[in-house]
Amino acid sequence: EAGVVQSPRYKIIEKKQPVAFWCNPISGHNTLYWYLQNLGQGPELLIRYENEEAVDDSQLPKDRFSAERLKGVDSTLKIQPAELGDSAVYLCASSQGLAGDYEQYFGPGTRLTVT
Amino acid sequence: DAKTTQPPSMDCAEGRAANLPCNHSTISGNEYVYWYRQIHSQGPQYIIHGLKNNETNEMASLIITEDRKSSTLILPHATLRDTAVYYCIVSRLDFFGNEKLTFGTGTRLTIIP
Repeated sequence: EAGVVQSPRYKIIEKKQPVAFWCNPISGHNTLYWYLQNLGQGPELLIRYENEEAVDDSQLPKDRFSAERLKGVDSTLKIQPAELGDSAVYLCASSQGLAGDYEQYFGPGTRLTVT
Repeated sequence: DAKTTQPPSMDCAEGRAANLPCNHSTISGNEYVYWYRQIHSQGPQYIIHGLKNNETNEMASLIITEDRKSSTLILPHATLRDTAVYYCIVSRLDFFGNEKLTFGTGTRLTIIP
């Protein structure tokens, strides 16, 4: 069974440029998460989807970050414009249900460098 | 929110049991204890979780104290591939009533040949 797929794996952009990350969850997983991981820190939740609905986006900086999950499968996370402080690893995860009942499966992440 | 406290780093000899402690003294009755690990340049990987009883799977054992204020993850026969950052997480309900995993900084476990 294929795991969570993310692309690109690495991205280098100049500040003020837009960037987008793509995630394909495990087939059949209705819950999708986007996390941000700074160097030396644990992942921090940005947004969580139940099917196509964003049920928790309280930690998403909405002035520059946006996300969508069309048709409740793939998801895209966008930053526009990027800032130097956005340099981090962006992780996507999926699960079959609420985290209390099912484990989360993580992708390899996209490492973003903003120069 | 229930928070966890873990030692920042630990070493363990290859082939020995690795015992990783975690304190979660403010855990509430309906919160689970989860363990994930993250090998360098990979996403976190689920290991095990439990509520009250001790749990065992093919990867590890989880021992939770009777008062649930602390737990220990046991890797019975550590190998070099177990070198990773190990996260102890207590799941909680967020404002919207959904469960959320809040990662801390974890324990960096190094397996020594």
